[in-house]
Amino acid sequence: GENVEQHPSTLSVQEGDSAVIKCTYSDSASNYFPWYKQELGKGPQLIIDIRSNVGEKKDQRIAVTLNKTAKHFSLHITETQPEDSAVYFCAARDNTDKLIFGTGTRLQVFP
Amino acid sequence: GAGVSQSPSNKVTEKGKDVELRCDPISGHTALYWYRQRLGQGLEFLIYFQGNSAPDKSGLPSDRFSAERTGESVSTLTIQRTQQEDSAVYLCASSPWGRGGGGELFFGEGSRLTVL
Repeated sequence: GENVEQHPSTLSVQEGDSAVIKCTYSDSASNYFPWYKQELGKGPQLIIDIRSNVGEKKDQRIAVTLNKTAKHFSLHITETQPEDSAVYFCAARDNTDKLIFGTGTRLQVFP
Repeated sequence: GAGVSQSPSNKVTEKGKDVELRCDPISGHTALYWYRQRLGQGLEFLIYFQGNSAPDKSGLPSDRFSAERTGESVSTLTIQRTQQEDSAVYLCASSPWGRGGGGELFFGEGSRLTVL
């Protein structure tokens, strides 16, 4: 089955700096890769996603890149703000339609 | 409109007791997922319902865990003879996407289970 690895587990950045979170997946048949943000005491919320026929997608300060050959994808947050502080999860949809999540990255943005 | 609703939000139980957790998905969503999140950990897949198809139970950790869903509505996750390692937040998510369609999952706020 699909296995998703995520790094780093924690990330601290200064406000205004960029943050990058990386994930790798194992199942070459996976074709959908979302990123979720989880704030304390809440359920995860989708912030951006990418499908396997696209290499990059951008939405304001966040972007996701996908390298199908290497089976890895990354989340980029530019001009970070304190409200970006949260836990971020990557995920991959496997060939049985399940969404398999990475282990999460706790991002702290210091003012 | 209402989002995914889970109950109870908090449950404290004694080891060995059975618990039932409930999920009300967004109306019209055909897909429903249960995940477990231990403290400070990632989301562990438990079970996936898609319309009237047989559920994918491949993530259930033991036969003490079971889940049901009535059509495309409410789902209950039952844990029998609870153990301390069952302590976690149980998250339910629903999606309007059919099989193979991909797409966003909408999560509830979870049911926090503490087994003493």
